[in-house]
Amino acid sequence: EAQVTQNPRYLITVTGKKLTVTCSQNMNHEYMSWYRQDPGLGLRQIYYSMNVEVTDKGDVPEGYKVSRKEKRNFPLILESPSPNQTSLYFCASSLWGGWNQPQHFGDGTRLSIL
Amino acid sequence: KQEVTQIPAALSVPEGENLVLNCSFTDSAIYNLQWFRQDPGKGLTSLLLIQSSQREQTSGRLNASLDKSSGRSTLYIAASQPGDSATYLCAPEGGGADGLTFGKGTHLIIQP
Repeated sequence: EAQVTQNPRYLITVTGKKLTVTCSQNMNHEYMSWYRQDPGLGLRQIYYSMNVEVTDKGDVPEGYKVSRKEKRNFPLILESPSPNQTSLYFCASSLWGGWNQPQHFGDGTRLSIL
Repeated sequence: KQEVTQIPAALSVPEGENLVLNCSFTDSAIYNLQWFRQDPGKGLTSLLLIQSSQREQTSGRLNASLDKSSGRSTLYIAASQPGDSATYLCAPEGGGADGLTFGKGTHLIIQP
């Protein structure tokens, strides 16, 4: 089944403890991205990757890192999480970016930073 | 910077009605506009993608139109069903690096 898989689905942690949210897709997509969704603010893009080894900042990249060492995986790294990063996070992928390809989303990761 | 507005923010109607959800955007330089559905506790499901050169797309009971020059899109849902209850999001996509810009969504409830 074609899908985008995120792990963990839920995480409660404390300020400053490094964490990684994994994202994997099995559709051989070139383009992957991360969004956060907050009440009243909607979905905002954090980082995106047009293909392997190519990543760039989205609208709200502060406090996050990403890497794209292989096509299928695009982990989101919070080196020193803070309470304002408490949010619902989504990973998405499409065949190419900006080429009229529908985007496929994971089921989301709900992070709570205490 | 692209800004997207969806009206209404919430809508509750009885089953069987035809509905129109509205989306407006400020920057008409887009590659396409996508409509998504989001169910509670779930990710987003792509419903329709309208390319910038197209005027509308249809999938089953759903029809989406795009007027790029005026910065508007509508999602028409025919003969609504309780299973249509969800939040509907529109997202114009800019070129390559710009990605999707989302509206805040329309929360739709279809009463049985």
